[in-house]
Amino acid sequence: GDSVTQMEGPVTLSEEAFLTINCTYTATGYPSLFWYVQYPGEGLQLLLKATKADDKGSNKGFEATYRKETTSFHLEKGSVQVSDSAVYFCAPHLGGGGNKLTFGTGTQLKVEL
Amino acid sequence: DAEITQSPRHKITETGRQVTLACHQTWNHNNMFWYRQDLGHGLRLIHYSYGVQDTNKGEVSDGYSVSRSNTEDLPLTLESAASSQTSVYFCASSESVEGPWTEAFFGQGTRLTVV
Repeated sequence: GDSVTQMEGPVTLSEEAFLTINCTYTATGYPSLFWYVQYPGEGLQLLLKATKADDKGSNKGFEATYRKETTSFHLEKGSVQVSDSAVYFCAPHLGGGGNKLTFGTGTQLKVEL
Repeated sequence: DAEITQSPRHKITETGRQVTLACHQTWNHNNMFWYRQDLGHGLRLIHYSYGVQDTNKGEVSDGYSVSRSNTEDLPLTLESAASSQTSVYFCASSESVEGPWTEAFFGQGTRLTVV
C-alpha cells in the first residue's frame, strides 16, 4: 500500500533561516503529491501540490518538486517566518475513487525570533 | 461558500457511553474520511466512504462505526467510549475523479476527552 516517510520533528529554526523538510513515498502507480499544513488549533489545509514528474508546486514562498526517480517531494522555503510555525504533512494521492488518503506523522516546525 | 463542519468542537464523556461526532460537508463530495490525531502518530484513518451506503474500515477502526445515508453527512460513532479514544478527530472530504487527484478539505476538528 501507499506510505510516506517524513523527517521527524520538531524542527526549530530562527526567523529568516532556510527550511527543508524531507519527504519520500511509496505508491503504486503515479500519484499526485501534496503538502498540507496544520496551524495550531485548526484542521489541515492544502499548501501546494504537483501532479506529475518534474512539476514544481509553490505557494506562500514554499516550494516542492516532484522527483519520480527518487520518489521524493521535499518541502523548501528560503526564509521562514514565525507565522510559518505549524505541522506539515506530505501525502501521495492516487486518482480515482480508490485512494484512502493516507498521511504520515507530520513534521512540526517552530520558528523563533 | 462550500465548507465542511464538525460538531461539537469539544466533548467530554464518560467511559462506556456511546458518543456520536457529526461531520457535514456542502462540497457535494463523494469521498469522506474520519481521522484521529494523537501526538507521535500523526493522522490515522478510522473509516472512510466513497459514496452513499458505502463505508470502509481504516487502520484504527476498532470501537468506531460510521454510516452514510446521504452525500453530505458521515457521523462517527464510538460504541462504548474508552480512555484510549481521547483524541482530536478530523473529518475530511474530497472529489472522486479520475486523473490527477484533487485536494482534501478538512473540518476544524473535535477534541474528545473520555473520563
